[in-house]
Amino acid sequence: ILNVEQSPQSLHVQEGDSTNFTCSFPSSNFYALHWYRWETAKSPEALFVMTLNGDEKKKGRISATLNTKEGYSYLYIKGSQPEDSATYLCAFSTGGYNKLIFGAGTRLAVHP
Amino acid sequence: KAGVTQTPRYLIKTRGQQVTLSCSPISGHRSVSWYQQTPGQGLQFLFEYFSETQRNKGNFPGRFSGRQFSNSRSEMNVSTLELGDSALYLCASSPPRDSSTDTQYFGPGTRLTVL
Repeated sequence: ILNVEQSPQSLHVQEGDSTNFTCSFPSSNFYALHWYRWETAKSPEALFVMTLNGDEKKKGRISATLNTKEGYSYLYIKGSQPEDSATYLCAFSTGGYNKLIFGAGTRLAVHP
Repeated sequence: KAGVTQTPRYLIKTRGQQVTLSCSPISGHRSVSWYQQTPGQGLQFLFEYFSETQRNKGNFPGRFSGRQFSNSRSEMNVSTLELGDSALYLCASSPPRDSSTDTQYFGPGTRLTVL
């Protein structure tokens, strides 16, 4: 059974703090790692798709890194803002036709 | 471009009934995947359709089924509903390049409550 673990489960930070989350996934049969942001009452929104070991992606204040050999990815948010409050999901793909295996998510709350 | 749409958004059914949920993908997308989220669980993959064919199936009982039409719209059906089927059901569509590295675009979900 393929398992994706995310930590921490939830996080409360102050506006302006920088933070990071971890996603652990099986290092065998790796194809791609996806990060999504899911705000309450909205659809999950894609942040990054990463495929190569050592990949780094950036989108504004958010960045992610990937280590496929050891099976982990980090998501970083620099200078958190209240609008960053959301659940951040990572999902692992073995290449099987758009089948994503999701972690339970990290719930981030940014307080003004 | 219009996003992924799902209907209905909310549904209340009783045990033993059956339900059909609908998903319209982004125009031009041919792959539609379905996921279930129950309280405390991550998104669980149900199945994926491409060009009217089911290509992949998750670990769910046969009461869960789906289909895709020639216009890429997809439906999923749950028969003989159980209390544990209460969940948020999300569908996602992917661009026509059909690569597992493609982003999946999610709809807003259908919240099903089984009483």
